[in-house]
Amino acid sequence: EIVLTQSLGTLSLSPGERATLSCRASQSVNSNYFAWYQQNPGQAPRLLIYGASSRAAGIPDRFSGSGSGTDFTLTISRLEPEDFTVYYCQQYGSSPITFGQGTRLEIK
Amino acid sequence: QVQLVQSGAEVKKPGASVRISCKASGYTFTDSYIHWVRQGPGQGLEWMGWIVPKSGDTNYAQKLKGWVTMTRDTSISTAYMELNRLKSDDTATYYCARGDVVYSLDVWGQGTTVTVSS
Repeated sequence: EIVLTQSLGTLSLSPGERATLSCRASQSVNSNYFAWYQQNPGQAPRLLIYGASSRAAGIPDRFSGSGSGTDFTLTISRLEPEDFTVYYCQQYGSSPITFGQGTRLEIK
Repeated sequence: QVQLVQSGAEVKKPGASVRISCKASGYTFTDSYIHWVRQGPGQGLEWMGWIVPKSGDTNYAQKLKGWVTMTRDTSISTAYMELNRLKSDDTATYYCARGDVVYSLDVWGQGTTVTVSS
């Protein structure tokens, strides 16, 4: 099983700043099968990024993904108030599918 | 539009079973997988398994094998997840999601809360 570790449990930033969220895998992940999700309280997760760097439909271009091998990053270029919530990384190239434990982005 | 609509909240006693439905609309049900993911209160996301609606093939997370069953009824574009011998730590919100080899889980149901309590 591939374990995904999101090193920051909570990240405190201000609106307008740049956010960098990281996710490290316990073994190499095919970048074609790496995703990021956003989850607001009481709602289902929403797909942001698939294939490590492709934005899902309707996702603003301030969200971008990068990385390969064992290290992946989600970048939010200019934080908007609605971006302050929880983010999960996921690998889906190897069974079982696994998620990171989440990073909470909070307003500083 | 593409959507997955799940059945309503459930309250069960320990040892009971629960079956949750997930009705798909807006796309061809047999063209994509259906995954199930659960989230305990204040916890992260746990993948439970998938079903291929076209064939009925399934793949379950190892820790759930033997007490989860995923089925589907293609005539009504609905997938089901049944969990047996419920324990208190099965209390969670259960989500179905459309799975795609490229996009991963691109459409999610609204979630079904299952509470296991004596």
